[in-house]
Amino acid sequence: AQKVTQAQTEISVVEKEDVTLDCVYETRDTTYYLFWYKQPPSGELVFLIRRNSFDEQNEISGRYSWNFQKSTSSFNFTITASQVVDSAVYFCALSIMNYGGATNKLIFGTGTLLAVQP
Amino acid sequence: EPEVTQTPSHQVTQMGQEVILRCVPISNHLYFYWYRQILGQKVEFLVSFYNNEISEKSEIFDDQFSVERPDGSNFTLKIRSTKLEDSAMYFCASSSAETYGYTFGSGTRLTVV
Repeated sequence: AQKVTQAQTEISVVEKEDVTLDCVYETRDTTYYLFWYKQPPSGELVFLIRRNSFDEQNEISGRYSWNFQKSTSSFNFTITASQVVDSAVYFCALSIMNYGGATNKLIFGTGTLLAVQP
Repeated sequence: EPEVTQTPSHQVTQMGQEVILRCVPISNHLYFYWYRQILGQKVEFLVSFYNNEISEKSEIFDDQFSVERPDGSNFTLKIRSTKLEDSAMYFCASSSAETYGYTFGSGTRLTVV
């Protein structure tokens, strides 16, 4: 069975602080995708990143960076110099690659509520 | 950038009534999904749909739920007789096997009273 754990329920930081959101996943499959989504107070799910299991390179996009470590089954997300607009719930998700193409559901973690105080 | 469109954005219905939530997936995507998020909780998979049939469904997706692709563009979720516990945000998503893009709509907030 697949599972995604986001142990941090809530994090509060002051603007300009760096913050790391943790994500640990479980799967026996060797081919899978990992995702991060942002859910602002307005409720929509905003795609941030997708990473496949064969690519362990870390990625940086502006103030965002992701650290993927297969050895520890973790896919952590760091926001550098946080801003008030980063306040949201952040979800990590896992999808098993099915070459039949018929499944591909996302399994979400419980989310981390990030509050950035001015 | 292509979008998944969901209507309505908010629907209020009385317990026991039928509701239909509508979605227009991205036009060249072949895989369609419905997810549910009860307020304050995680996003949960309901059902996936491919080649005009359900490919997988969760335990939540019982006989009260059904999905349909009535024409070439719409993808609908029907709840036959709503219960209070069906109150949630419902997200539609579509994906492409070629690019593995996975796009969510902005959601329909269903309130059952």
